[in-house]
Amino acid sequence: DSGVTQTPKHLITATGQRVTLRCSPRSGDLSVYWYQQSLDQGLQFLIQYYNGEERAKGNILERFSAQQFPDLHSELNLSSLELGDSALYFCASSGTGLGHEEQFFGPGTRLTVL
Amino acid sequence: GENVEQHPSTLSVQEGDSAVIKCTYSDSASNYFPWYKQELGKRPQLIIDIRSNVGEKKDQRIAVTLNKTAKHFSLHITETQPEDSAVYFCAASKGGSYIPTFGRGTSLIVHP
Repeated sequence: DSGVTQTPKHLITATGQRVTLRCSPRSGDLSVYWYQQSLDQGLQFLIQYYNGEERAKGNILERFSAQQFPDLHSELNLSSLELGDSALYFCASSGTGLGHEEQFFGPGTRLTVL
Repeated sequence: GENVEQHPSTLSVQEGDSAVIKCTYSDSASNYFPWYKQELGKRPQLIIDIRSNVGEKKDQRIAVTLNKTAKHFSLHITETQPEDSAVYFCAASKGGSYIPTFGRGTSLIVHP
């Protein structure tokens, strides 16, 4: 157990819908990262938050957004869902994200868009 | 941006054999190279990492080598065991962003 929690574990929804994925980092970690894992693309970095502020952006679609709250938990919002958004979404956390640190991954949320 | 290529995509070995997974990176500024192991249905977990100021690092049956000139690094697993079966991801990152760019993964299958 990495100490990072994610909910829900599974999510099945329809095209055009909106969903919210939730992540709680390890106790004491200030930085949260979101990744998308699909079979043909590996682990794709989406976005990083540090202590409530957006710090880095990767290949995140405009239909996706995220935020980190004062208690440091983070939410990833996916809207106008398409079939191609079906994937495993991982959240990871690290101490500060301000250096080369181990990232601790949560168990992931499997999103299926029908 | 950084591009990390990983080979092979699938590697099948007999228990007790060695396994080698190779990665190349494109950005010469990258200076940190972690390896993650992801067992089926589970989360990725860091197994070993290497920084650019060293050429090799070992941890029991696992070793990583780095050739900065050629911009490639490799994971070596000796005396493989069935529990080594998993997907292994290499990654590269650099100072400033510290965001890792991952390879596409290698599925290692160790046959008993």
